[in-house]
Amino acid sequence: ETGVTQTPRHLVMGMTNKKSLKCEQHLGHNAMYWYKQSAKKPLELMFVYNFKEQTENNSVPSRFSPECPNSSHLFLHLHTLQPEDSALYLCASSQMVGSTTDTQYFGPGTRLTVL
Amino acid sequence: AQSVTQLGSHVSVSEGALVLLRCNYSSSVPPYLFWYVQYPNQGLQLLLKYTTGATLVKGINGFEAEFKKSETSFHLTKPSAHMSDAAEYFCAVSVDTGRRALTFGSGTRLQVQP
Repeated sequence: ETGVTQTPRHLVMGMTNKKSLKCEQHLGHNAMYWYKQSAKKPLELMFVYNFKEQTENNSVPSRFSPECPNSSHLFLHLHTLQPEDSALYLCASSQMVGSTTDTQYFGPGTRLTVL
Repeated sequence: AQSVTQLGSHVSVSEGALVLLRCNYSSSVPPYLFWYVQYPNQGLQLLLKYTTGATLVKGINGFEAEFKKSETSFHLTKPSAHMSDAAEYFCAVSVDTGRRALTFGSGTRLQVQP
């Protein structure tokens, strides 16, 4: 589990705040992912980056803005969130999107509460 | 498009009893199948995966799963439950479209009674 780290682990923010979530992977992978895990809903894929390029945006509202400066780091910038955005945000990494036996490894998540 | 159905959002077993968590998938192409476990306040940990080859897959912590194409199933089993197995379990599928994003089931929470 220490292969993918996420900070902070817990975050409470108001609807007008701006904050960022950070993910770092130490596995030498080239693909990184953001997922949202809400209560009573399946994990939802939000964004996919492959070799620093965004390859998928799963119709995520613009108040969520991802950034991938290099293959090891992934950020999720948050602004003017809504209470329904409260969830566990999980980061994952894998060797490369599209590789034959690609396996995703997850970080511990950031528990976000929007007041 | 692929999808995953996990039957039973909650499963309760006694310590030492058989664990069976059900997963059925839908995919128009050969799938890759995964089981992940999530302990409280933690991320997802890979238990096992099926890509090609042998249909009975062994994973960590004594778990195994069998890919049955005819039944479109990938059920997770463990012969004898341990208290430490209490967690939420997720089945996931990906297909070889070059995109390879995981589609997750809704999860099954396993309780182990002493």
